Amino acid sequence: TQLLEQSPQFLSIQEGENLTVYCNSSSVFSSLQWYRQEPGEGPVLLVTVVTGGEVKKLKRLTFQFGDARKDSSLHITAAQPGDTGLYLCAGDNYGQNFVFGPGTRLSVLP
Amino acid sequence: DVKVTQSSRYLVKRTGEKVFLECVQDMDHENMFWYRQDPGLGLRLIYFSYDVKMKEKGDIPEGYSVSREKKERFSLILESASTNQTSMYLCASRAVFLGNQPQHFGDGTRLSIL
Repeated sequence: TQLLEQSPQFLSIQEGENLTVYCNSSSVFSSLQWYRQEPGEGPVLLVTVVTGGEVKKLKRLTFQFGDARKDSSLHITAAQPGDTGLYLCAGDNYGQNFVFGPGTRLSVLP
Repeated sequence: DVKVTQSSRYLVKRTGEKVFLECVQDMDHENMFWYRQDPGLGLRLIYFSYDVKMKEKGDIPEGYSVSREKKERFSLILESASTNQTSMYLCASRAVFLGNQPQHFGDGTRLSIL
């Protein structure tokens, strides 16, 4: 059974701080997605990473795919209250199915 | 932008009722998915569909069925609703032909079974 682990599960920080969220698996994925979900809403796609070692930036968010395509990280610089939400990673198993991590719940306090 | 629309944001039904959850996508995507999301359990796949009139069971299909008569619409049916089916239901779609395409989600339906 494929599993994706995310750490930390919960994170509460002050506005302006930096943070990193991790997504780890023992399985190789063809691609990996990061989503942000706010309470009562559906997950919103932030990024897809495909190539091992790939780094993508989205304003203050930096995403990295591990060289072996088994893990990924999300780094947020100078966090803002608007970054608050549940961050989900999802691994694509070569088009057969998606594996979701349990999520990291981030709270950024003003 | 991809648009995935779920028919209801909130729904309250009674035990034993037959419940229909509708999902429509506007990007001609081949794949469509139904998940439920519960605290502590994450997203769990109920059913998915590769294309029109095709369906596959996911991890937790018991008590559910699906219908995909048209490419843009994927319906989830609770045959006889029970209280343990109270949950957040999420529909997603994905294009296939380019490869490594992500899923795009709707806003979710929060279903309460009384």
